[in-house]
Amino acid sequence: DAMVIQNPRYQVTQFGKPVTLSCSQTLNHNVMYWYQQKSSQAPKLLFHYYDKDFNNEADTPDNFQSRRPNTSFCFLDIRSPGLGDAAMYLCATSSGVGGNQPQHFGDGTRLSIL
Amino acid sequence: AQTVTQSQPEMSVQEAETVTLSCTYDTSESNYYLFWYKQPPSRQMILVIRQEAYKQQNATENRFSVNFQKAAKSFSLKISDSQLGDTAMYFCAFIPHSGGSNYKLTFGKGTLLTVNP
Repeated sequence: DAMVIQNPRYQVTQFGKPVTLSCSQTLNHNVMYWYQQKSSQAPKLLFHYYDKDFNNEADTPDNFQSRRPNTSFCFLDIRSPGLGDAAMYLCATSSGVGGNQPQHFGDGTRLSIL
Repeated sequence: AQTVTQSQPEMSVQEAETVTLSCTYDTSESNYYLFWYKQPPSRQMILVIRQEAYKQQNATENRFSVNFQKAAKSFSLKISDSQLGDTAMYFCAFIPHSGGSNYKLTFGKGTLLTVNP
């Protein structure tokens, strides 16, 4: 089945140690998104790619970066994780933008910071 | 900017009964989409139902239906014949049809629904 795959499901890193989260998709969608979701809160959009065009949300910390080397893969890099970055990170894709192109979500990666 | 409000942080329902989750929103857009997403514990978020604002007819998907009141900016979700597998966090979300922010879902804070046997 076509899907959005996030690896790993659980990631533990040390305070200040760079970490990379991975997302891949078999849907051949043009748009890929990264959300941060803290416990019992709504997902918060960090950034998205439309094809190779990167779009950063204004309030996304500089500590968070992203790469999209090809259509299928997108990575979230956290350069120096702090305790406040512990969260679930959700990847989503859509064929285009707008409500007639619903977003499809992966299972998420739960990041813990020691 | 858009806002989405879910006033019920938690709800519970008995299996086989009907439950309604509330959502209100605020926007100056005239055309937009509204969604209900379901996020079961430790599982992926999935789209339950979608409503286009310019369509007056309420969307339905099997046991799930919405009551869309555009003038009141209200978008409630009704789950009929509740099942144990319906236990999840439910998010109401909004996206404009066009314009610079038509990529961005605005979510409510969610309603945690528990279906009891």
